[in-house]
Amino acid sequence: GAVVSQHPSWVICKSGTSVKIECRSLDFQATTMFWYRQFPKQSLMLMATSNEGSKATYEQGVEKDKFLINHASLTLSTLTVTSAHPEDSSFYICSALNGEAYNEQFFGPGTRLTVL
Amino acid sequence: AQTVTQSQPEMSVQEAETVTLSCTYDTSESNYYLFWYKQPPSRQMILVIRQEAYKQQNATENRFSVNFQKAAKSFSLKISDSQLGDTAMYFCAFMKHRLNTDKLIFGTGTRLQVFP
Repeated sequence: GAVVSQHPSWVICKSGTSVKIECRSLDFQATTMFWYRQFPKQSLMLMATSNEGSKATYEQGVEKDKFLINHASLTLSTLTVTSAHPEDSSFYICSALNGEAYNEQFFGPGTRLTVL
Repeated sequence: AQTVTQSQPEMSVQEAETVTLSCTYDTSESNYYLFWYKQPPSRQMILVIRQEAYKQQNATENRFSVNFQKAAKSFSLKISDSQLGDTAMYFCAFMKHRLNTDKLIFGTGTRLQVFP
């Protein structure tokens, strides 16, 4: 099956710093990737849709200047949380769309971000 | 706008028994996909089963099967011969049927506990 990796799996940072999370499709090309945020015991909330070579599409209420998304290649999308604050602490999950597999989304293992 | 509703926040079942998780959705689309995802304690999202709306036959994957009622906009998941490893959060999800890409809309989830 298709594999999606995320790095790092967990990160702790100080308030005011920026954190970059990588999402890679390891064995397929993904023109589209998605970034989700999940609070404890809650569902996944879509933050943005990342398209290779173009600007990301953000969901309503998501600050695009706060959560920078770059999808520079067909196998890599990055999410940068800028000037992180404790309220940004959450579990961030990416998924990659495999056009060869009925447009199925394959999920990364997630990144736990803790902002002190 | 599409919505997905899971009315059972928590369910429990004894090992080897059968359990059914409910999901309803609302859409004006005529063609779409429905999914059940499993999120175990590791938090890795795993696709359990998918159903294409134009297919009348209910999807099955080993011990997992769905009861898809298009007119009623209902999409329940039946887990037969429950195993301890089935303990997880289960999310129902909807996606429009398009040639390129679209986002998943998730329900709030059902936490399933399988007891020995």
